[in-house]
Amino acid sequence: EAQVTQNPRYLITVTGKKLTVTCSQNMNHEYMSWYRQDPGLGLRQIYYSMNVEVTDKGDVPEGYKVSRKEKRNFPLILESPSPNQTSLYFCASSLTSGGARPTDTQYFGPGTRLTVL
Amino acid sequence: KQEVTQIPAALSVPEGENLVLNCSFTDSAIYNLQWFRQDPGKGLTSLLLIQSSQREQTSGRLNASLDKSSGRSTLYIAASQPGDSATYLCAGHILTGGGNKLTFGTGTQLKVEL
Repeated sequence: EAQVTQNPRYLITVTGKKLTVTCSQNMNHEYMSWYRQDPGLGLRQIYYSMNVEVTDKGDVPEGYKVSRKEKRNFPLILESPSPNQTSLYFCASSLTSGGARPTDTQYFGPGTRLTVL
Repeated sequence: KQEVTQIPAALSVPEGENLVLNCSFTDSAIYNLQWFRQDPGKGLTSLLLIQSSQREQTSGRLNASLDKSSGRSTLYIAASQPGDSATYLCAGHILTGGGNKLTFGTGTQLKVEL
């Protein structure tokens, strides 16, 4: 089944304890992206990757890191989590990334609910 | 900066009613527009993607239209069912140097009652 998977689905942690949220897709998609969703603010892009070894900042990258060493995986790293990073996180992928074609349709993972105490 | 607005924020309708969800955006630089459905505790499911060269797309009971000149998109749901209850999000594909960025609205929470 074609899908985007994220792990863990739920995580409660404490301030300053490094964590990684994994994202994997099995559709051979070039483009992958991370979003966070907060009440009243909608979804905002954190980081994106056009292809392996190519990553760049989105709208709200502060406090996050990413890497893209393999095409299928795009982990999100919080080196020193803080309470303002408590949020619902989504990973997404698309076959292409031009923004003007049907193959730019983005597919989303199930989300990771993170609470930082 | 591109902004996407969805009105109403919440909507409750009786089963069987036809309904329209609205999405407006501030900049005609949107390329494609994508409608999603979000169920509680689950991810986003893509419903329809309208390319900038198209005016509408249809899938089953759903029909989405796009009018770039007025900065508006609508999602029409025919003969609503309780299973349609969810939050509906519209998102514009903004063509940037970084490719395929989506700018989301804050959603319309739909409840279809028996």
